[in-house]
Amino acid sequence: DAGITQSPRHKVTETGTPVTLRCHQTENHRYMYWYRQDPGHGLRLIHYSYGVKDTDKGEVSDGYSVSRSKTEDFLLTLESATSSQTSVYFCAGQDRGNEQYFGPGTRLTVT
Amino acid sequence: KQEVTQIPAALSVPEGENLVLNCSFTDSAIYNLQWFRQDPGKGLTSLLLIQSSQREQTSGRLNASLDKSSGRSTLYIAASQPGDSATYLCAVLIQGAQKLVFGQGTRLTINP
Repeated sequence: DAGITQSPRHKVTETGTPVTLRCHQTENHRYMYWYRQDPGHGLRLIHYSYGVKDTDKGEVSDGYSVSRSKTEDFLLTLESATSSQTSVYFCAGQDRGNEQYFGPGTRLTVT
Repeated sequence: KQEVTQIPAALSVPEGENLVLNCSFTDSAIYNLQWFRQDPGKGLTSLLLIQSSQREQTSGRLNASLDKSSGRSTLYIAASQPGDSATYLCAVLIQGAQKLVFGQGTRLTINP
């Protein structure tokens, strides 16, 4: 969905450093989500937002935080990156018909 | 806890065949079921959305059905083409939670 972009698309970082991934949407979605995708585990929900400054945890939220200061932007922060957080991260938005649309993903490598 | 299962994990068929992908879920309290396609190294593309009150949806050569009471959905692909090769994922939106639960996907290969 061209309405959801993610930056950066690729990142390599060192263990212990903070990392912030950005999701930007132009579709005025109220609900937004961050997922990670790993072989053998599929897609797992990290955090989601149901409005500006309204967020909640998903099933794998430890070590991650999120912020949403305006409708368009949803940030995911890895407070102190670990090798277990090497993954592909996807952002998604949900429209009023409860259909989710995904961004292109960010491939993060923690060395 | 809602669990979504897709069988088989991988499927390889010759071009031109009609095929069915399966998705099952354990809790019938869902808002909807969504089928996605994912190409290698890419994001997910929404193919079809079936609301919990609906039985099926069609888009081109794709037809998805939903039997909520038995916890099953199928994605039917007619006249398969090599360009249909991808991983297909189903996901259910949990009632009262606005969260999607995904299956592990079926990796489909269409051989020319």
